[in-house]
Amino acid sequence: SAVISQKPSRDICQRGTSLTIQCQVDSQVTMMFWYRQQPGQSLTLIATANQGSEATYESGFVIDKFPISRPNLTFSTLTVSNMSPEDSSIYLCSVGINTDYEQYFGPGTRLTVT
Amino acid sequence: EDKVVQSPLSLVVHEGDTVTLNCSYEVTNFRSLLWYKQEKKAPTFLFMLTSSGIEKKSGRLSSILDKKELFSILNITATQTGDSAIYLCAVARLNTGTASKLTFGTGTRLQVTL
Repeated sequence: SAVISQKPSRDICQRGTSLTIQCQVDSQVTMMFWYRQQPGQSLTLIATANQGSEATYESGFVIDKFPISRPNLTFSTLTVSNMSPEDSSIYLCSVGINTDYEQYFGPGTRLTVT
Repeated sequence: EDKVVQSPLSLVVHEGDTVTLNCSYEVTNFRSLLWYKQEKKAPTFLFMLTSSGIEKKSGRLSSILDKKELFSILNITATQTGDSAIYLCAVARLNTGTASKLTFGTGTRLQVTL
């Protein structure tokens, strides 16, 4: 496995603002993934982030709302832009270990938008 | 569209009981099935299953996959209060040219009482 950290752990933000979430891994990984878990729901994949290329977004998620950076093999950021209360969720990053389908998750960021 | 259905949705048992959690799935280009334990924010990896009929075991937890009938079970024997959590099942679909995608079920909420 890998040691994955996320910052911030939680935040309360006002609507209309943006928040950038950081994900750091203790080893180089090819694939990093960003998920959202809305209250009472399961995890939904937002996008896949490969180093050196643009992120691949899932249906229903767009780059303008959730821009992602992947500057190197150990780090990625997800920005939640122009937030509304509907963006209140847990945001999780994961990494593919050995394969892209054996995924391990970071500790998550709990976001509340007021 | 890929689908993962878990049952039961929730379960309350007494410490020492044995529980069986179920996961059925429909997915194109199946790659693997994964089980996670979610206590607060971060899902913790438990098992990855790729082959039918081969039991994976870790302490009091075990899991098996049936690729013909498209389901998996997670067994927990001699349950303890520390087993109280949401157990998530996910299936990975192999995507040509892109990363595998995980689709999660809604989870089984297990509560172990004294």
